[in-house]
Amino acid sequence: QVQLQESGPGLVKPSGTLSLTCAVSGGSISSSNWWSWVRQPPGKGLEWIGEIYHSGSTNYNPSLKSRVTISVDKSKNQFSLKLSSVTAADTAVYYCARDPGRGYSYGSWDYWGQGTLVTVSS
Amino acid sequence: DIQMTQSPSSVSASVGDRVTITCRASQGISSWLAWYQQKPGKAPKLLIYAASSLQSGVPSRFSGSGSGTDFTLTISSLQPEDFATYYCQQANSFPRAFGQGTKVEIK
Repeated sequence: QVQLQESGPGLVKPSGTLSLTCAVSGGSISSSNWWSWVRQPPGKGLEWIGEIYHSGSTNYNPSLKSRVTISVDKSKNQFSLKLSSVTAADTAVYYCARDPGRGYSYGSWDYWGQGTLVTVSS
Repeated sequence: DIQMTQSPSSVSASVGDRVTITCRASQGISSWLAWYQQKPGKAPKLLIYAASSLQSGVPSRFSGSGSGTDFTLTISSLQPEDFATYYCQQANSFPRAFGQGTKVEIK
């Protein structure tokens, strides 16, 4: 059973950089999957941030692309998110998730982390 | 970018009711559509992918239909554990996008 676990600071100062890591267990990050970040501001809907393949290939949401970097560490079976120049609008629960990567389920997310709340405040 | 619009935004229903949620894409996405259920404080759960394929372990009272721009999620007989918010999501192109959500509340 694949499990994903987000970790990182719960509080980030405005103009700073948000950094989160998603540890993958029960499966290899080098399998035929894409690995995504999705966020949800308090009381609001879901927003896709971007994704990475184990080769390092990425796709980002254009609305955040200039501030986002997603990377993968195969040796630790984890992937990471960095979001720079954060403001209060970046306050959200951040989820990591797995895209099956192939077949008709490609582009959806079948496994999710439990989410971690990141607050941007001084 | 493809915009996803769900209706209604909320629905009040009773246990045993049939509930239908609609999702419309701003352009054709073939059958590249997924549905998720989210309960408060929890991560979304995949219910349906490819518009009508039931994810493993999801009860058969959930079903999806549609293609192109118009899609439907149906709960055939609402159960107490089904009270939640439901999201559609297009998987046809980047950026991936969700509908704004439909909250299913107890009547």
